[in-house]
Amino acid sequence: GAGVSQSPSNKVTEKGKDVELRCDPISGHTALYWYRQSLGQGLEFLIYFQGNSAPDKSGLPSDRFSAERTGGSVSTLTIQRTQQEDSAVYLCASSPRGPSYNEQFFGPGTRLTVL
Amino acid sequence: KQEVTQIPAALSVPEGENLVLNCSFTDSAIYNLQWFRQDPGKGLTSLLLIQSSQREQTSGRLNASLDKSSGRSTLYIAASQPGDSATYLCAVRGDSNYQLIWGAGTKLIIKP
Repeated sequence: GAGVSQSPSNKVTEKGKDVELRCDPISGHTALYWYRQSLGQGLEFLIYFQGNSAPDKSGLPSDRFSAERTGGSVSTLTIQRTQQEDSAVYLCASSPRGPSYNEQFFGPGTRLTVL
Repeated sequence: KQEVTQIPAALSVPEGENLVLNCSFTDSAIYNLQWFRQDPGKGLTSLLLIQSSQREQTSGRLNASLDKSSGRSTLYIAASQPGDSATYLCAVRGDSNYQLIWGAGTKLIIKP
């Protein structure tokens, strides 16, 4: 069965450009999470979706970051006017139900490098 | 604010040894604690999840313990194998929200 997929696997961009990162959760999973893993640091929570709505956006580091989810499935994380400190691995996870369900299934991540 | 620390940051041992990875957290009001494995270029794999009411969980050669009062968890790996080489991450979910707070990980290398 298909797991969580993310694209692209790697993205190199120039400072100031916009980037879009995509996440395809496991079919039927209603909850979707975005995390960021910076070099030498732990993962940090960015945003959580339940269906198409985002009850918690508290982890988004600045207003340059936004995310949407359509059809209760695919999610896109957009970073505008990228900065070098945005360089990180961006991980997406999904779970069958809401946050009361324990296990999250992770994708392979997108490695973003901002030059 | 919850903080999660993992020690050591890196560990290299010969194949066959038993080993212990440590995770500590500052706020004992947790909902659960999870251990994950991360392989280069791949996603995170959940290894063990311990509810706040539990003391330990076992899966194959892996055993995770939880001591909430002292803010500590250990992951015990028995009879280590080269295939166990990976980064092991500890994550804590708080009582009041569902966000996972992560440690920085322990990079484990098992030498053949």
